[in-house]
Amino acid sequence: DGGITQSPKYLFRKEGQNVTLSCEQNLNHDAMYWYRQDPGQGLRLIYYSQIVNDFQKGDIAEGYSVSREKKESFPLTVTSAQKNPTAFYLCASSPSNYEQYFGPGTRLTVT
Amino acid sequence: DQQVKQNSPSLSVQEGRISILNCDYTNSMFDYFLWYKKYPAEGPTFLISISSIKDKNEDGRFTVFLNKSAKHLSLHIVPSQPGDSAVYFCAASPVVVGNQFYFGTGTSLTVIP
Repeated sequence: DGGITQSPKYLFRKEGQNVTLSCEQNLNHDAMYWYRQDPGQGLRLIYYSQIVNDFQKGDIAEGYSVSREKKESFPLTVTSAQKNPTAFYLCASSPSNYEQYFGPGTRLTVT
Repeated sequence: DQQVKQNSPSLSVQEGRISILNCDYTNSMFDYFLWYKKYPAEGPTFLISISSIKDKNEDGRFTVFLNKSAKHLSLHIVPSQPGDSAVYFCAASPVVVGNQFYFGTGTSLTVIP
């Protein structure tokens, strides 16, 4: 059945290491998004991609990188330059610029 | 600068009564609004949307009202059920291709049996 998968659900890393979060969708959606959620805050956009091989920075792109080599996949790399990487990361996709469908999220803890 | 605001972090309602969740926005270019429901450690799920050409949209127990002049929208849940207990986010977007959605900080709804 169709959906968005994010793996792993929980991820632990040491400070100074880069880490890549996976996001895959089989909904045939053109647009994909990465958000970050921190306690007491709304979802903040990190990066988004409207088509393959193209992506734009969101409000908080510093310390993150993405790629969109395939329509189905939009991995997010949290680099060592991200000062506060511990957070809940959400990936979403959309068939247009309207409703977004979210994955289950990955909780990243960096110590 | 928070362009979409949900000023009530939490709300408690008795089962069977109406839940009203509020959302305010500052950007007059916003033209499309959505509500999402989120359980802990899960991704948000889409609930209902409204575009600026309407002032009301209804889907079962859920109704969203939009007051463009006041830059305010609200989500009404009637009747409220214990399974509605979750965090509710409103989101807004200008209807231009390539633009992003802006999310509020969420309101945690607890429906008391």
